[in-house]
Amino acid sequence: DIQMTQSPSSLSASVGDRVTITCRASQSINNYLNWYQQKPGKAPNLLIQAASSLQSGVPPRFSGSGSGTDFTLTISSLQPEDFATYFCQQSSSSPYTFGQGTKLEIK
Amino acid sequence: QVQLQESGPGLVKSSETLSLTCTVSGGSVNSGSHYWGWLRQPPGKGLEWIGHIYYSGSTNYRPSLRSRVTISVDTSKNQVSLRLSAVTAADTAMYYCATWSVVVPGNPFDYWGQGILVAVSS
Repeated sequence: DIQMTQSPSSLSASVGDRVTITCRASQSINNYLNWYQQKPGKAPNLLIQAASSLQSGVPPRFSGSGSGTDFTLTISSLQPEDFATYFCQQSSSSPYTFGQGTKLEIK
Repeated sequence: QVQLQESGPGLVKSSETLSLTCTVSGGSVNSGSHYWGWLRQPPGKGLEWIGHIYYSGSTNYRPSLRSRVTISVDTSKNQVSLRLSAVTAADTAMYYCATWSVVVPGNPFDYWGQGILVAVSS
């Protein structure tokens, strides 16, 4: 199985901050990397597909980059509604696996 | 806009079979653009892909669950079903129905149901 490792596992930040979350795959996954946002009691919501393509309707303050094994999710200016847990996920090979999540909390 | 709604019992006894149904609206399980599948999330933990099915009947299961999992599709009802046999406490989780896109770059899980919490009791 491809292991997905996210860092940090938790992060405290303030409204207006720029934050970056990283995700590393245990082997190359090209750009088969997707990012999701999950709020408490809700299903995950797709933010970015194929490492850097913003899902329709997602604010442009979200961006993704990377290829191969190293990827990042950046939020350029945190808004109150962005405090949530973020997961990366690889679709390069089955079984499709997720990172353990990064919980973004208000400082 | 595809919408997914999970249904089924919220409590299953240990060693018995968990059975869930996902009703699809706004789309068809006969669509060639998606696989239809299931994921789960134990309380306070991360996400785990269980498996998915294509309209042709082709399936792909998580190897660690393959001996216990069956995913099927009912085209007449536009539903996808999950059966997980011989459950234990480790199977207690929020279960999500989701679509896996074969046309969107990156093949993401692009539509999700709201989830259904299933607890396994002894």
